[in-house]
Amino acid sequence: EVQLWESGGGLVKPGGSLRLSCEASGLTFPIYAMNWVRLTPGKGLEWVSGITARGTSTYYADSVKGRFIISRDNSKNTVFLQMNSLRAEDTARYYCAKEPGGVVIYHFDLWGQGTQVTVAS
Amino acid sequence: SNELTQPPSVSVAPGQTATITCGGDIIGTYSVHWYYQRPGQAPVLAVFDDSDRPSGIPERFSGSKSANMATLTINRVEAGDEADYFCQLWDSGRDVYVFGPGTKVIVL
Repeated sequence: EVQLWESGGGLVKPGGSLRLSCEASGLTFPIYAMNWVRLTPGKGLEWVSGITARGTSTYYADSVKGRFIISRDNSKNTVFLQMNSLRAEDTARYYCAKEPGGVVIYHFDLWGQGTQVTVAS
Repeated sequence: SNELTQPPSVSVAPGQTATITCGGDIIGTYSVHWYYQRPGQAPVLAVFDDSDRPSGIPERFSGSKSANMATLTINRVEAGDEADYFCQLWDSGRDVYVFGPGTKVIVL
């Protein structure tokens, strides 16, 4: 079965850090670009970051640029999101999402179930 | 503006047609995609590249676009179609994905 499985969420204090992981199974992970998207009840879906299939190019929303880092390990079928200097407004459910191709320009044809991140003191 | 707009909610009776709009100055420039998300579930791709439908999505779902407005139409609405619907595009001018704020479809 083709699926994405996120992990690493939790409760963290403002200014803290968290590293999310998303492991893929049932697909040829190294040929697909990957993204992170978050859902907040008040703001809806917000794209956070994307990375090309080989990891050579990365993209970020202005709201997280300079604080979050996306990376991937194709040998482990996993994409990561290192989140630093976390703020209350980063509280959300974080999803990883797959593109149908190797670059970050298409759309998201497969999503994981998400992992909850809560930033609070 | 580079933002997308959607009505907060659309109410429709079972068997009728739901029309969800997505507006913005950049709509005409880029391909628009649509997702739905039921409570507690992951988003699902419903329409991509303005009007293409992924395998597994019923023919009742269709997309269209003109000028600065994209539209998702759901024919013969069923109770299971009740969800939040989001439009999205890749803004290659800024290298960012943009989502609309979402529309809650309420089946009466």
